[in-house]
Amino acid sequence: DAKTTQPNSMESNEEEPVHLPCNHSTISGTDYIHWYRQLPSQGPEYVIHGLTSNVNNRMASLAIAEDRKSSTLILHRATLRDAAVYYCILRDLIIQGAQKLVFGQGTRLTINP
Amino acid sequence: GAVVSQHPSRVICKSGTSVKIECRSLDFQATTMFWYRQFPKQSLMLMATSNEGSKATYEQGVEKDKFLINHASLTLSTLTVTSAHPEDSSFYICSATAGTGNQPQHFGDGTRLSIL
Repeated sequence: DAKTTQPNSMESNEEEPVHLPCNHSTISGTDYIHWYRQLPSQGPEYVIHGLTSNVNNRMASLAIAEDRKSSTLILHRATLRDAAVYYCILRDLIIQGAQKLVFGQGTRLTINP
Repeated sequence: GAVVSQHPSRVICKSGTSVKIECRSLDFQATTMFWYRQFPKQSLMLMATSNEGSKATYEQGVEKDKFLINHASLTLSTLTVTSAHPEDSSFYICSATAGTGNQPQHFGDGTRLSIL
């Protein structure tokens, strides 16, 4: 599995935008970029995924660099409930069958009131 | 959205006891379910991949006779920790997916297992 690198921790203030970076310099052409987050004492939840173009959904936006070697998860207006560990994970599209997720250490996001 | 229910949420039991954890997909058919383990302050570690009607595929270093997985239907997978010992105390999490490729995985809320 191609590896991702994320900062161990980040801090932001409530109602401000948050940009969570992820480096994946060894990404292959068929790797999708997935983001999950894990709130305290819960299982992870899916946030967003993309291949080349920027993606938006109700939870967040995903900005993907033109060379695809990095991406940024954007929370447009953070709330206290966004405090979680955020994981950036690569999944290869062409491998048959359901894809297992390989979790790194992720970024622990703290939101200040 | 898709819901995965995991039961029980917490178990405390004596050393030597076998513990069964259930993972159910409530509103979709899960062709594949995954079981993870997470120790405090650490990330999730995949233990095994379970496909309905076939034997589970275990990750390297995970004892298949210790962690028994059964995926008897498209909505239920179970993980049994046999003869549990204190070192098996951990947060066990299941996930389920309806299909292949880039379908998101939907996670249960985990089971906190404490072996005395």
